Amino acid sequence: AQKITQTQPGMFVQEKEAVTLDCTYDTSDPSYGLFWYKQPSSGEMIFLIYQGSYDQQNATEGRYSLNFQKARKSANLVISASQLGDSAMYFCAMRPRFGNEKLTFGTGTRLTIIP
Amino acid sequence: GAVVSQHPSRVICKSGTSVKIECRSLDFQATTMFWYRQFPKQSLMLMATSNEGSKATYEQGVEKDKFLINHASLTLSTLTVTSAHPEDSSFYICSATLGRSNEKLFFGSGTQLSVL
Repeated sequence: AQKITQTQPGMFVQEKEAVTLDCTYDTSDPSYGLFWYKQPSSGEMIFLIYQGSYDQQNATEGRYSLNFQKARKSANLVISASQLGDSAMYFCAMRPRFGNEKLTFGTGTRLTIIP
Repeated sequence: GAVVSQHPSRVICKSGTSVKIECRSLDFQATTMFWYRQFPKQSLMLMATSNEGSKATYEQGVEKDKFLINHASLTLSTLTVTSAHPEDSSFYICSATLGRSNEKLFFGSGTQLSVL
C-alpha cells in the first residue's frame, strides 16, 4: 500500500518569494515515481514535475524543483520566485515505477500568493 | 504534448437521469484510463481503472452498476452515472498513461456534475 502525506492545508506567500510545499510518503514498492500536480480553480490537473525513485539527481522544471530525500521519504516541491498565477491547490502523488497502476494522492496544499 | 480531452466540462441534470462523460486521448493510444472523483476541498479519489477491451476494475465502495465504464477503443473511455441523485454531484476527472512510461500520465480537464 502507498500513502502520501501533505501536512500543510494552506500557505500564504509573498509574491517573488520562494515557497516549499511538503510531501512525505510511505510505500513498500522498491521502485516508484513521485509527482506534483497543480489544480487551479478551473479544476484541471496540471502536471508540474516527476521524480523517479532511482533518479540520481533531483528533478527540475523551470521554476519548479523537487527536493527528493529518499532516506527521509520526502519529496518537497520548491517554487522559486513565486507569481500570483501560482495560487492554486497543489497535490503530491505517487505510483509504482512499473505497471500501469493508479496514482495515490495526498490531501493537497492550497497556496495563496500575496501581491 | 499528449492531450486528454474530457467532455462535457459541466453538466446539470435532474435527479433520476443518466449522464455520460467522455474521456479521449487525442494524440496517443491509452490502454488504461483512470476515473477519479473529487468532492469540494478534498483530494482525488480513484473510482475505477478502465482497461480497453475488458471490464473495468472498481475500487472498494464504488457501485459498478451506478457508475458504468466503457473503454471500447484505445482512445475513448466513458463514464455513465446512471439514475443520478444529488449525492452524485461532484467533480469527475479522468487520466490516461502514454505508453508504458511511468511518468507520462495526463489528466482531462474534468467534469462538474450537478444533480438537481
